[in-house]
Amino acid sequence: AQKVTQAQTEISVVEKEDVTLDCVYETRDTTYYLFWYKQPPSGELVFLIRRNSFDEQNEISGRYSWNFQKSTSSFNFTITASQVVDSAVYFCALNVGGFKTIFGAGTRLFVKA
Amino acid sequence: DADVTQTPRNRITKTGKRIMLECSQTKGHDRMYWYRQDPGLGLRLIYYSFDVKDINKGEISDGYSVSRQAQAKFSLSLESAIPNQTALYFCATSDWTAYTDTQYFGPGTRLTVL
Repeated sequence: AQKVTQAQTEISVVEKEDVTLDCVYETRDTTYYLFWYKQPPSGELVFLIRRNSFDEQNEISGRYSWNFQKSTSSFNFTITASQVVDSAVYFCALNVGGFKTIFGAGTRLFVKA
Repeated sequence: DADVTQTPRNRITKTGKRIMLECSQTKGHDRMYWYRQDPGLGLRLIYYSFDVKDINKGEISDGYSVSRQAQAKFSLSLESAIPNQTALYFCATSDWTAYTDTQYFGPGTRLTVL
């Protein structure tokens, strides 16, 4: 069975702090895809990144970076120099074999000015 | 214009009423999904459709039904709404041709059942 665990329910930081959102996944399949989505207070879900299981390279996009480690089944997301606009709920998700996508429960990030 | 649209955006109804939530997409994707979001539970899959003739139950399909009227349209029905179906409902689409299945979401429908 597949599972995604986001152990941090809520995180609160002060603007300009770095913050890491944890994601641990479970699957027995060797081919899978991992995702991060952002849900700002307005409610829509915004795709941030996709990673496949064959590519463990870390990725950086502006202030966002992702650390994928198969050895620990983790796909963590770091925001550098956080801003108030980063306040949102962030979801990690797992897709195996192109079928159903399993979402974690989400981490709510509060960035205070 | 948005690629994935949902109507209505908000709905308040009473227990026992039949409700239909509609989803349309202009992305040309074959795959469409309905999810519900409850606080602390993330998104849970209700139904999914890989093409017009292929509809499958998700993890929480009881009390719901769907109709895939065309590639671009996927409707979710609550035949007899109950209060614990109060939630935020999302429609999503994806394109498997690139073997990645990234999902693109509509803006959501907030449903309240009194």
